[in-house]
Formats: sequence, C-alpha cells, structure tokens
Amino acid sequence: SQQGEEDPQALSIQEGENATMNCSYKTSINNLQWYRQNSGRGLVHLILIRSNEREKHSGRLRVTLDTSKKSSSLLITASRAADTASYFCATGGGSQGNLIFGKGTKLSVKP
Amino acid sequence: DGGITQSPKYLFRKEGQNVTLSCEQNLNHDAMYWYRQDPGQGLRLIYYSQIVNDFQKGDIAEGYSVSREKKESFPLTVTSAQKNPTAFYLCASSIELRGRAEAFFGQGTRLTVV
Repeated sequence: SQQGEEDPQALSIQEGENATMNCSYKTSINNLQWYRQNSGRGLVHLILIRSNEREKHSGRLRVTLDTSKKSSSLLITASRAADTASYFCATGGGSQGNLIFGKGTKLSVKP
Repeated sequence: DGGITQSPKYLFRKEGQNVTLSCEQNLNHDAMYWYRQDPGQGLRLIYYSQIVNDFQKGDIAEGYSVSREKKESFPLTVTSAQKNPTAFYLCASSIELRGRAEAFFGQGTRLTVV
C-alpha cells in the first residue's frame, strides 16, 4: 500500500522558475521525509519535517506540512538544470516500522 | 568511508534460477529495507528488518526471501517463484535518533531476466 501520493506525476519548468510538488498520506505520522533520485541511482535524503512542525527550510528547499489535511509540499526555488530528478515523499521508518514511499514527481528543469 | 553498498550493479538471471542480491552497511543502522522499482514507478517495499534475526514482509514479498544474520548485512534472494523479477532493486538502512529516521540508500542493482 502506498502511504504517500505525490502530484503532479511530472513537472517541466524553465531554469529559474520555482517548482512545487505535493504529497498526501493516509495515516498519522511522526515525521515526513523528502528524497531525491537521479535517474538510475539510489535515493538521497533531502529534508525531514516533524509532525509538530509546519514549515522547514534548507537552502533552496522549503517544505510545509499540514497534518489536518495529511499533506505536505516541497518547493524548490530558483530551479537549476541540475535539479532535474524524481522527488519522493516518505513516511514511517525507525520505530514506526516500514518506510513507505509515494510514486514520486519527475521534475525536468530546462536550461 | 561509511555507507551502504549493493552488489552487483547489474545482474542477469535465467528463467527458473535463484539469484541473491547483496546489501552491506557499515553505518551501524538497526533497520534495513529492500525495495523494488519498476520503470517510471515509485518504490514498493519487499521486506524490512528492524533488528538482527527478525524481518517483516512488505507489500510485494511473494517470490522473495531475506535473511538478517548480521546487523551489517541484509541479502535478498529472488527465487524462481518470482515470475516477473526484471526491475531495479534498492536497499536502504536507517536508524532512529531523536525522532529522526533518515534512510540511506545503496546505488541499486538492476536485475534482468534473460
């Protein structure tokens, strides 16, 4: 069962524009994580937001969390061609057991 | 170098053959996971383990088996019972510290049936 569902499935933008990806989940969480995957590679952790946080920043990344709507968003500001990748949200892990990923958003940033 | 290593990077399997994918980590992480990823798709959980000598089935465990005899190692066997094994397989590990459970991933094994 997929815990997180991202939308859009694919997003194509120009360099310098902002990219926003959304994630919805089904059950209660302790935290929500966002990962990035370059084509044919493993995933890399980007940012974690705890259930008692509403917003978190890391460089050009901004993550929001709305536990009442069971949703999160990832904003990449001033995108670059190097940001081209797939982005996944994930919940669970650690003492919560299985770490469940959504289907991902494929971001393409055109130079 | 601390990290998580998967091998081999590419693997070819004949029909009816069992193959084992290796996953080793030296991060001292308790939890380890195996995922399957099909082209253009998300990650589906095959098995996970939170402690040595214990593991749990994920959403698509049929046709796969695992063992966790050592903390550092979590090999995945793709058995002949798995009818469509061609996919990209990802191993991950994580440890929970102060409410954080960031996962670290290997670089993946691409399995192809020939």
